[in-house]
Amino acid sequence: KAGVTQTPRYLIKTRGQQVTLSCSPISGHRSVSWYQQTPGQGLQFLFEYFSETQRNKGNFPGRFSGRQFSNSRSEMNVSTLELGDSALYLCASSPLAGPAYEQYFGPGTRLTVT
Amino acid sequence: AQKVTQAQTEISVVEKEDVTLDCVYETRDTTYYLFWYKQPPSGELVFLIRRNSFDEQNEISGRYSWNFQKSTSSFNFTITASQVVDSAVYFCALSGDFGNEKLTFGTGTRLTIIP
Repeated sequence: KAGVTQTPRYLIKTRGQQVTLSCSPISGHRSVSWYQQTPGQGLQFLFEYFSETQRNKGNFPGRFSGRQFSNSRSEMNVSTLELGDSALYLCASSPLAGPAYEQYFGPGTRLTVT
Repeated sequence: AQKVTQAQTEISVVEKEDVTLDCVYETRDTTYYLFWYKQPPSGELVFLIRRNSFDEQNEISGRYSWNFQKSTSSFNFTITASQVVDSAVYFCALSGDFGNEKLTFGTGTRLTIIP
């Protein structure tokens, strides 16, 4: 089985712009979660989607949003980018939602905001 | 609120030595899950193990072993006969019961194996 794929792998944006990141889960996995990783804050949970519905949301401003499609693929969007949004954004998928299932992570998208 | 503490920021050991990575967690949930992930330089988090709160049996997988002790809220990870390929950042994580399901990560321990 192919693993979790994320596109693009690298991205450079300017402050004030918006960005959309894409995640394709492992085939058959229906839950997708997003995380932000920065040197200062570490790994932080953004949100989780299951069956096109957001199940959980972390403590991030409304500029961060996401969605999931019927084929379980997911996108996250960040509007009005700030310098502090520079980070590695990781997507993870699991067969079903809930903590009993381990999450499999993609390689991440490294976003740089200048 | 849930919390995971990995007090060891960086550890360096010589190849073939044993090394233990510490993880201490806090949660009010009765049912919870503990995880270890490895993040090599490539950046992708690799799942190593999941443990639920009702299973305190230690686990061994090859050179890796995990010690779960509810009495001390710890879930420590030991690598026996370390190898250079073990060099990575290791994260301990916690997921709780309904309402606390999001994965909470520790700050990670950077492990360097010196050849």
